[in-house]
Amino acid sequence: DQQVKQNSPSLSVQEGRISILNCDYTNSMFDYFLWYKKYPAEGPTFLISISSIKDKNEDGRFTVFLNKSAKHLSLHIVPSQPGDSAVYFCAASALNRDDKIIFGKGTRLHILP
Amino acid sequence: GAVVSQHPSRVICKSGTSVKIECRSLDFQATTMFWYRQFPKQSLMLMATSNEGSKATYEQGVEKDKFLINHASLTLSTLTVTSAHPEDSSFYICSAIDLAGVDTDTQYFGPGTRLTVL
Repeated sequence: DQQVKQNSPSLSVQEGRISILNCDYTNSMFDYFLWYKKYPAEGPTFLISISSIKDKNEDGRFTVFLNKSAKHLSLHIVPSQPGDSAVYFCAASALNRDDKIIFGKGTRLHILP
Repeated sequence: GAVVSQHPSRVICKSGTSVKIECRSLDFQATTMFWYRQFPKQSLMLMATSNEGSKATYEQGVEKDKFLINHASLTLSTLTVTSAHPEDSSFYICSAIDLAGVDTDTQYFGPGTRLTVL
């Protein structure tokens, strides 16, 4: 049973517009959420995270929003740039129990010129 | 979908001993595997990239003589923590990609191994 779901396998966005990547989770014990970015043939690199005590965390062009009641988080990238084309993984962890990270299957983002 | 397994899922060992962690791709050939370490409340740290049949590429700051990686086959990579110390206690995750496959973007993560060094 997938505890972290990224229901959109791919997403295409025009350069300069906002990219919104979505992630849903089922385990209410998750209290720490992370986004990773991955280029082809490379390992994922950490992008941004958010603790469950917050509902928003911003870092430059990247903002992560957390809706605990809906068990939903999203990553916003604005403005989108060509270098943002990659696969984005959502991950979740229950730090107050076992801080094992559970990954979603990823969403491939294409930034169109 | 592709599955990556890790064994053991949990291991407790005494300080000074060595521990081997296995990472297996169960239904695909993993030309490349990655080993990560997770620190409490922190994101994953890439330790090394393991390519089948060749030496692993270690990230800066990771001791290759302490964390021995062997990727002897297309379905198995092992990480051996040598002379383990309590500070090596962590959660170790492997992931695998199939560079020979159609989709090199897709990365499959193992469930992780919790190492506790007493």
